[in-house]
Amino acid sequence: KQEVTQIPAALSVPEGENLVLNCSFTDSAIYNLQWFRQDPGKGLTSLLLIQSSQREQTSGRLNASLDKSSGRSTLYIAASQPGDSATYLCAPSPGAGNMLTFGGGTRLMVKP
Amino acid sequence: DGGITQSPKYLFRKEGQNVTLSCEQNLNHDAMYWYRQDPGQGLRLIYYSQIVNDFQKGDIAEGYSVSREKKESFPLTVTSAQKNPTAFYLCASSIRSSPNEQFFGPGTRLTVL
Repeated sequence: KQEVTQIPAALSVPEGENLVLNCSFTDSAIYNLQWFRQDPGKGLTSLLLIQSSQREQTSGRLNASLDKSSGRSTLYIAASQPGDSATYLCAPSPGAGNMLTFGGGTRLMVKP
Repeated sequence: DGGITQSPKYLFRKEGQNVTLSCEQNLNHDAMYWYRQDPGQGLRLIYYSQIVNDFQKGDIAEGYSVSREKKESFPLTVTSAQKNPTAFYLCASSIRSSPNEQFFGPGTRLTVL
């Protein structure tokens, strides 16, 4: 059974810092991996999706990398802003049209 | 606007009552999912459906039921058999082929009184 761990569980940084959020998973036989953002009391917003054949994906200040063989993904946020404050979740999937397994998330606070 | 809607946003239930949470999508997605989120925990899958009239149990299906009579709709019923139903419920949808990106609705917060 897939297990997903996100480290750190919480992170507080001053505005402008570059930061890295880590995600590890136990079963490397994944189809893709998604990174999400969740604001308090809200649904999930998809940030990036990396397919199993890809090494990284970029969207604006966000860059996600994937190392399937070692069971790791990282989300890099450049030049953090207070508006980036949220919980970030990673979730690998074993196949198309199939379930996601979620980590516990990293709660990020960016201070002005 | 294309997207996923969930209703109601807040729902209060008395013990022993069944309640149904609505999830509708106009993205023409084949697959739909229900997840449960508890404070400080990751999301856990309750049920998912890849096509109309077919669905599979997830990790925590006990005390829940679903139907998939239409492509656009995937309602979730929380039955009285669910021991601890107070949680935040999230519905998602995706296509069945690559890249299989899942999109989420705004969620329903269920509280048992």
